[in-house]
Amino acid sequence: SYELTQPPSVSVSPGQTASITCSGDKLGDKYACWYQLKPGQSPVLVIYQDTKRPSGIPERFSGSNSGNTATLTISGTQALDEADYYCQAWDSSAGDVFGTGTKVTVL
Amino acid sequence: QVQLQESGPGLVKPSQTLSLTCTVSGGSVSSGGYYWSWIRQHPGKGLEWIGYIFHSESTYYNPSLRSRVTMSVDTSKNQFSLKLSSVTAADTAVYYCAREVAVAGTLLIDSWGQGTLVTVSS
Repeated sequence: SYELTQPPSVSVSPGQTASITCSGDKLGDKYACWYQLKPGQSPVLVIYQDTKRPSGIPERFSGSNSGNTATLTISGTQALDEADYYCQAWDSSAGDVFGTGTKVTVL
Repeated sequence: QVQLQESGPGLVKPSQTLSLTCTVSGGSVSSGGYYWSWIRQHPGKGLEWIGYIFHSESTYYNPSLRSRVTMSVDTSKNQFSLKLSSVTAADTAVYYCAREVAVAGTLLIDSWGQGTLVTVSS
């Protein structure tokens, strides 16, 4: 099976930069997506194809993917960015694989 | 803008079959290039992909659930469905239906339902 590992939590002060990592074997050979999940709401795609932002997603969200690690970066973090974030990649043997999830707290 | 809405019993007894339906509006389940998925989130846990159906009859299931999962499409009602057999308390979760699209050789989820809580309990 294929696994993606994320840190359980990340804390950031308003206006600062939050970085969330997602680690998996040769993840850089796949495309990574990132989803934002807030309580009581449906997940929202914030990054796809490693670096691309869907329409309507603020520019402060950016992504990268190389080697075994994909990273979601939130620049100038705002209180409304407080949420759980999940990476996701597609594997030919396992199908869709989600990361373990990271809770971002804006202090 | 496609919208998805899950429906089905919120309470299922152990050993029985969980059945959920997703109604699609603003788009067609017959549209090519889309994969119709089910994803769940156990209470306080992460997201788990259950599987998807595409081309109205082709399926791809999570290997860990494959023996208990069946998905189908009803094009006349523009719906797709999930059946999960022999459920236990470990299947208690919020179940989401979703639409995936192929981009550059991979899949991404561009639309999600609101999610529905299914509790397995006697």
